Amino acid sequence: AQSVTQLDSQVPVFEEAPVELRCNYSSSVSVYLFWYVQYPNQGLQLLLKYLSGSTLVKGINGFEAEFNKSQTSFHLRKPSVHISDTAEYFCAVSERVGNTPLVFGKGTRLSVIA
Amino acid sequence: DAGVIQSPRHEVTEMGQEVTLRCKPISGHDYLFWYRQTMMRGLELLIYFNNNVPIDDSGMPEDRFSAKMPNASFSTLKIQPSEPRDSAVYFCASSPYLRGRDSPLHFGNGTRLTVT
Repeated sequence: AQSVTQLDSQVPVFEEAPVELRCNYSSSVSVYLFWYVQYPNQGLQLLLKYLSGSTLVKGINGFEAEFNKSQTSFHLRKPSVHISDTAEYFCAVSERVGNTPLVFGKGTRLSVIA
Repeated sequence: DAGVIQSPRHEVTEMGQEVTLRCKPISGHDYLFWYRQTMMRGLELLIYFNNNVPIDDSGMPEDRFSAKMPNASFSTLKIQPSEPRDSAVYFCASSPYLRGRDSPLHFGNGTRLTVT
């Protein structure tokens, strides 16, 4: 079965600074990878996804993530954060074959400081 | 498209009482998921349905929890009797597909449950 580890539960960062949120996954088969974002008092929404092809994927709001198969990682980055990026970010994985739903990490709370 | 609709948004109840959480998925979505979010355990999948049929309920914590989907437009999650450790935010999500490859999961805004 697949699993996801988000190494940081909380990440504080100053406005306009770069940020990286780390995600590692484990699976015995090939996977699809996702990042979801949860703004305060809301449900999760898709930020970006990796299905195949280029290992660098771009999402909404200036975020991007890079799939690294050898390191089984899918870290999320943004070169300059805004106050409005304050939210919880979830990495998720699903296996390309089989009938198992998405598995989410525990989340990383990004706090952007003015 | 109104999105996934959950009710109530907040529920405060006393230990031992029955709690029913409700969800209306997006029309045409064949999959419906119930998740629980806590600080300690993050986002846990409790149960999911395909075409109104429960497929995997291995995440349901114990017999006090039950979920039903009587038709394609309505699902309930019931806790009876409720306990303080059930306090959490409960999310419902729907999708046309199981794994989100071609379409993401669409989440409701959640129900914040507090059991005193």
